[in-house]
Amino acid sequence: DSGVTQTPKHLITATGQRVTLRCSPRSGDLSVYWYQQSLDQGLQFLIQYYNGEERAKGNILERFSAQQFPDLHSELNLSSLELGDSALYFCASSPRDRASDTQYFGPGTRLTVL
Amino acid sequence: EDQVTQSPEALRLQEGESSSLNCSYTVSGLRGLFWYRQDPGKGPEFLFTLYSAGEEKEKERLKATLTKKESFLHITAPKPEDSATYLCAVDGGYQKVTFGIGTKLQVIP
Repeated sequence: DSGVTQTPKHLITATGQRVTLRCSPRSGDLSVYWYQQSLDQGLQFLIQYYNGEERAKGNILERFSAQQFPDLHSELNLSSLELGDSALYFCASSPRDRASDTQYFGPGTRLTVL
Repeated sequence: EDQVTQSPEALRLQEGESSSLNCSYTVSGLRGLFWYRQDPGKGPEFLFTLYSAGEEKEKERLKATLTKKESFLHITAPKPEDSATYLCAVDGGYQKVTFGIGTKLQVIP
């Protein structure tokens, strides 16, 4: 158990809908990272927040957005969903604002768009 | 842009048959190289971080090594419970970590 929690575990929705994925980092970690993992692709970095502020952006679509709250939990919002958005979404946390710090991953949310 | 290539894509070993997984990387300046293990449908589990060429780290049957262009994950006398996908990732200094697609390891009893 990494100490990172994610809810829900599974999410099934329809095209065009909007969903919110939630992540709670390990106790004491200030950075939260979001990743997408599709069937034939590796983990794709989406976005990083550190202590409430956006710090780095990867291959995140404009339909996707995220935020980190004062209690340090983070939410990833996915809107106007398409079939291709079906994937595993992971969040990870680390203590500082350094990509070279070890990132500890949550169990993931499996999103299925029908 | 940082690039990570892992080989082979899949590897099937008999229990006890040692082997190595390869991770080749291209970065402007390596700040850290990471190895993770991922079981199906689960989140990646951290194994090792290597920071500079020549560094080695060990954990049970696993040993990770690093050169200026690649890293190896050596698996000695593997057991069926070592079956998983092994992911390599790099921090090349762009404030993000780039992952390879992974090597899927199957250890047969």
